Amino acid sequence: DAMVIQNPRYQVTQFGKPVTLSCSQTLNHNVMYWYQQKSSQAPKLLFHYYDKDFNNEADTPDNFQSRRPNTSFCFLDIRSPGLGDAAMYLCATSSHPWQEGIIQYFGAGTRLSVL
Amino acid sequence: GQQLNQSPQSMFIQEGEDVSMNCTSSSIFNTWLWYKQDPGEGPVLLIALYKAGELTSNGRLTAQFGITRKDSFLNISASIPSDVGIYFCAGRTGTASKLTFGTGTRLQVTL
Repeated sequence: DAMVIQNPRYQVTQFGKPVTLSCSQTLNHNVMYWYQQKSSQAPKLLFHYYDKDFNNEADTPDNFQSRRPNTSFCFLDIRSPGLGDAAMYLCATSSHPWQEGIIQYFGAGTRLSVL
Repeated sequence: GQQLNQSPQSMFIQEGEDVSMNCTSSSIFNTWLWYKQDPGEGPVLLIALYKAGELTSNGRLTAQFGITRKDSFLNISASIPSDVGIYFCAGRTGTASKLTFGTGTRLQVTL
């Protein structure tokens, strides 16, 4: 059974049209992460939530926002998608940052296309 | 910032061959993780390492946490076609809540 679920698996949007990607987890983990991954490159961390505390990466564009309304759900909002934002977006969770808790469990990803 | 360099970048091997890849850094890490990513899917954890010198196996996979804490390697024995994919190392420093990912090794297995 999937433990980190991303919807949709494929998303097509128009240039400049806001889009929201969703992630849910059944693991009751404290930490949720959003990554951007382009063409077989390493996943690039955009931001993460430790419980309700939001941690933005310094180089994450303002165009990317996130919401975590409760433990189970986390959303990635792209306010004005550009062609360069076409990528695979990965959600991951971890229980806590100590020892085995740092292991991140990934969803299957959402592939975003921007027309 | 921290960087993890993986080598080789890609490998083409024949079914049945053994594979070795490694991950190096100029920084010290206290946790090393190895993930495999199939096309169009998210990374899946293969092996986790928590102590310098630790050697851990998972089926045909074996990984080691380097003594200097700046490197790790992953070996795959007797490769099979389903081993195809991209292998990422990932490391954690201090008490950070996040991981640093390596550049990836793409593995192709021919029959």
